[in-house]
Amino acid sequence: SQTIHQWPATLVQPVGSPLSLECTVEGTSNPNLYWYRQAAGRGLQLLFYSVGIGQISSEVPQNLSASRPQDRQFILSSKKLLLSDSGFYLCAWNRPTGQVYKGNSPLHFGNGTRLTVT
Amino acid sequence: AQSVSQHNHHVILSEAASLELGCNYSYGGTVNLFWYVQYPGQHLQLLLKYFSGDPLVKGIKGFEAEFIKSKFSFNLRKPSVQWSDTAEYFCAVNARGSARQLTFGSGTQLTVLP
Repeated sequence: SQTIHQWPATLVQPVGSPLSLECTVEGTSNPNLYWYRQAAGRGLQLLFYSVGIGQISSEVPQNLSASRPQDRQFILSSKKLLLSDSGFYLCAWNRPTGQVYKGNSPLHFGNGTRLTVT
Repeated sequence: AQSVSQHNHHVILSEAASLELGCNYSYGGTVNLFWYVQYPGQHLQLLLKYFSGDPLVKGIKGFEAEFIKSKFSFNLRKPSVQWSDTAEYFCAVNARGSARQLTFGSGTQLTVLP
């Protein structure tokens, strides 16, 4: 069966510090991978998605970046965190379709990372 | 661009009460619709989905949702809630055939009192 791991579960970082959140998927090949952010009182906002190694699409311009160094590894990074980066970050995957997710395969979410920037 | 509105931010019900959570979307084309649920301490999971066909879809744990195209709505219902239904519920939409990803609503926190 497929599993998704996301860490750390919680993180407190000062403003201006770097960030690295990691997500790995097991039990499937070439998944579509996603980073979402859930800010207080808002819905889930898609940040990045990837349909393959080295292929990253950004939905929202900001000081975050994403990388996919391996097929089942998705990393969310920042060189300098802002206060507004605080939130709940969720990694997700769905079945490979060879193209961007078009609603035919449900998303499977990780447990999330609670990031507090102080 | 598509958007999703969930007007109820927090709903409190007693056990056995009926539930209806509202979800409205805005998009001019054909959409796929979803409800996701996040139970306390757990990850988001799919509750039910609508792609085409019968506009009344049934999901897990006795939940159902009805797609009313003329109203751009996809409301979630359950005839009799249980304490274990306490969770946050998210409506989501994906424009069919578009490269855009799922757009989520802001979520509704449901609290069921025993």
